[in-house]
Amino acid sequence: DTGVSQNPRHKITKRGQNVTFRCDPISEHNRLYWYRQTLGQGPEFLTYFQNEAQLEKSRLLSDRFSAERPKGSFSTLEIQRTEQGDSAMYLCASSLDADRGPDNEQFFGPGTRLTVL
Amino acid sequence: AQSVTQLDSQVPVFEEAPVELRCNYSSSVSVYLFWYVQYPNQGLQLLLKYLSGSTLVESINGFEAEFNKSQTSFHLRKPSVHISDTAEYFCAVKMGGFKTIFGAGTRLFVKA
Repeated sequence: DTGVSQNPRHKITKRGQNVTFRCDPISEHNRLYWYRQTLGQGPEFLTYFQNEAQLEKSRLLSDRFSAERPKGSFSTLEIQRTEQGDSAMYLCASSLDADRGPDNEQFFGPGTRLTVL
Repeated sequence: AQSVTQLDSQVPVFEEAPVELRCNYSSSVSVYLFWYVQYPNQGLQLLLKYLSGSTLVESINGFEAEFNKSQTSFHLRKPSVHISDTAEYFCAVKMGGFKTIFGAGTRLFVKA
């Protein structure tokens, strides 16, 4: 299967600890997105990359959050000094370059569920 | 500000009955509209999309949605549901560029 993969699938951590999630997009996709989904809500945009460049960050992404996409391939999302409010499902999606038109479907990974105790 | 409203958080329905999941959006610019489905413990999958042209769009598994510009709606319908359609459905709007805004989701529960 060559879809979007995310690791780990589940992460339980104590408040104050740092966590890092990884996303491997579909190999030919230039764009990569991170979303956060809390219970009873739809995905909320966090940030996106065009190749290795991080082009937009949501106001939801506080200074404790940082995302990277070295070499324009996989991406990592790190949360420092986790808080209980960070508990959520973190989704990654990838798509082809936007220059190919607005119908560049986003393909989603299965998500990483974070629980902060 | 742009927003997406899914009017029903849960929709229980009996198997083989018709169903409609409602979605309304607010935007001052042209939009592209999507429905995604999320099965338990899986990622979101695109169900269908409206970009331009015919306002009625269909999926391969019998769902259809109609773009109504005057009512700013994009309701999802299926004439006869199956147990396997039980999932959460998300309406989403893309207003140019990269950003997609999702609704809160509607949980469809199909009962035997």
